[in-house]
Amino acid sequence: DAKTTQPPSMDCAEGRAANLPCNHSTISGNEYVYWYRQIHSQGPQYIIHGLKNNETNEMASLIITEDRKSSTLILPHATLRDTAVYYCIVRVGGSARQLTFGSGTQLTVLP
Amino acid sequence: GAVVSQHPSRVICKSGTSVKIECRSLDFQATTMFWYRQFPKQSLMLMATSNEGSKATYEQGVEKDKFLINHASLTLSTLTVTSAHPEDSSFYICSAMSSGGQETQYFGPGTRLLVL
Repeated sequence: DAKTTQPPSMDCAEGRAANLPCNHSTISGNEYVYWYRQIHSQGPQYIIHGLKNNETNEMASLIITEDRKSSTLILPHATLRDTAVYYCIVRVGGSARQLTFGSGTQLTVLP
Repeated sequence: GAVVSQHPSRVICKSGTSVKIECRSLDFQATTMFWYRQFPKQSLMLMATSNEGSKATYEQGVEKDKFLINHASLTLSTLTVTSAHPEDSSFYICSAMSSGGQETQYFGPGTRLLVL
């Protein structure tokens, strides 16, 4: 699976949009981009995933660049409860394989 | 999204005893489940892949005789830490994979194990 690079930490003001970047320059054509988050002392929570088109659900939006070498997770109106470690993971779709977690981005939403 | 439960949420045991952790997929069937371990201030590390009806596949460095995995049904996998020692104290997290396309993984809430 392709390696991803994320900033170690970011701050965001409550109510503002949080934009979390992820670089995956070695991504292959059949690899999806997944985003999970882990709130302290809890299991990771699935947020969203995509292949090449932008995706949106009730939690977030995922913007993938045209060359697919990077993506941005957008939390449109961050709340204090969104404070967590956010993981960007690239993995081949349709495969029963594990997720490989990097160190992620610690997002702190400030009041 | 799909729901995965773990039981117990936390357990304290004496050194030398065995501890069983259950992982259940509540609203979907999972032919594949994964067991991860997370030490403080570190990321999740895969321990083993559990497939229903067959033997688990362990990652390098994980002792299969110490961490026994049973995946007897499509909704239940168990991890038994045998002869636990203080260095086994950790946060154990399971995940279950839903089928049908992109195989999204859903995680349980985790089990905090403290071995005294």
